[in-house]
Amino acid sequence: AQSVTQLGSHVSVSEGALVLLRCNYSSSVPPYLFWYVQYPNQGLQLLLKYTSAATLVKGINGFEAEFKKSETSFHLTKPSAHMSDAAEYFCAVSFSGGYNKLIFGAGTRLAVHP
Amino acid sequence: GAVVSQHPSRVICKSGTSVKIECRSLDFQATTMFWYRQFPKQSLMLMATSNEGSKATYEQGVEKDKFLINHASLTLSTLTVTSAHPEDSSFYICSARARQGRRETQYFGPGTRLLVL
Repeated sequence: AQSVTQLGSHVSVSEGALVLLRCNYSSSVPPYLFWYVQYPNQGLQLLLKYTSAATLVKGINGFEAEFKKSETSFHLTKPSAHMSDAAEYFCAVSFSGGYNKLIFGAGTRLAVHP
Repeated sequence: GAVVSQHPSRVICKSGTSVKIECRSLDFQATTMFWYRQFPKQSLMLMATSNEGSKATYEQGVEKDKFLINHASLTLSTLTVTSAHPEDSSFYICSARARQGRRETQYFGPGTRLLVL
């Protein structure tokens, strides 16, 4: 069975500090992996996705993630946090074609303080 | 980019009534739409996959007679919560799958917050 685990339900960083949000997956077939961001009372916005091409994926707003098969991880990073990055972040996995069915992790709430 | 809208954005209803939520793809055709439910401070849980012109596929544990899904056109899917109860209060989010050649993308709507009194 496929699943997604996000380590840390809350992450707090200082403005300008490195952002690291962790995601590990379990999959019996090559996965498609995604990171989404959700601002309060809004839907989800795609940050980036891995679809079996380059293992280092660059997304919007300066975020990037690296697919590491040996570690079954897809951690999200950003070199320098902005106040506007404060939001809920979800890692998701899909199989066989990319967008048939997304399984989401529990989410990580990122707080950015001055 | 592609836009998915939901209507209403917020609804409050009495227990026992039915509520219809619309999901529209505004500038593309979506043969497949998905309905998710998100409880406070929790992740999104897929409820069902809606395919244009055919019956929806429900996830395990989701009552199809309670959550009626109709995907009557390539730009519209509706979710009707029948005989709503307070435990149905949640944030309902739809998404639509867009296909451009071999590329697929899934776009999410802004969500509908349902409160059942």
